[in-house]
Amino acid sequence: AQSVTQPDIHITVSEGASLELRCNYSYGATPYLFWYVQSPGQGLQLLLKYFSGDTLVQGIKGFEAEFKRSQSSFNLRKPSVHWSDAAEYFCAVEAGNNRKLIWGLGTSLAVNP
Amino acid sequence: SQTIHQWPATLVQPVGSPLSLECTVEGTSNPNLYWYRQAAGRGLQLLFYSVGIGQISSEVPQNLSASRPQDRQFILSSKKLLLSDSGFYLCAWSVRDRQPQHFGDGTRLSIL
Repeated sequence: AQSVTQPDIHITVSEGASLELRCNYSYGATPYLFWYVQSPGQGLQLLLKYFSGDTLVQGIKGFEAEFKRSQSSFNLRKPSVHWSDAAEYFCAVEAGNNRKLIWGLGTSLAVNP
Repeated sequence: SQTIHQWPATLVQPVGSPLSLECTVEGTSNPNLYWYRQAAGRGLQLLFYSVGIGQISSEVPQNLSASRPQDRQFILSSKKLLLSDSGFYLCAWSVRDRQPQHFGDGTRLSIL
């Protein structure tokens, strides 16, 4: 069965430091991959997506993610974190054209001033 | 541009009372529509999705039901709420299969 794993439940970084959030998926072929961000009490906002082509994708708010087929990973990165980036981040996978996304459990990001 | 409206933002209901949450999408036609529930620390659980008027797929057996009376309207209902129905409910839409989903601001439902 397809699955998505976000190994880090909670991460704390200092403002201005770099960030990498991990996402691993289980699926035989190349899935469609997404990263979303959720601020407290809010809905989810799409940060970026990967469907095909260049494995390094750029998103909004200065985020990027790299698809690595050999590692079944789609890690999210940002070179310099801002205090406003504190939020919950979700990785999701659409695998098999079944109209449904498979979601990771999320990584909570805290940013120290 | 497309927008999604979800209301109410918060709702406090007694056990055994009915429920109706509404979601509407503007600026697109025949979207896929989704209802999710999010429990604290447990990610998103897909409850229902719809690919057209009157077409509802249920993902988990539960005390809830969904309806799509109009192309861009999606309603989540219950006849009798349980304590376990508490949570954060999110509506989402996508332009078609295998496309990103876009979310409303959610409804925080508390059952007393």
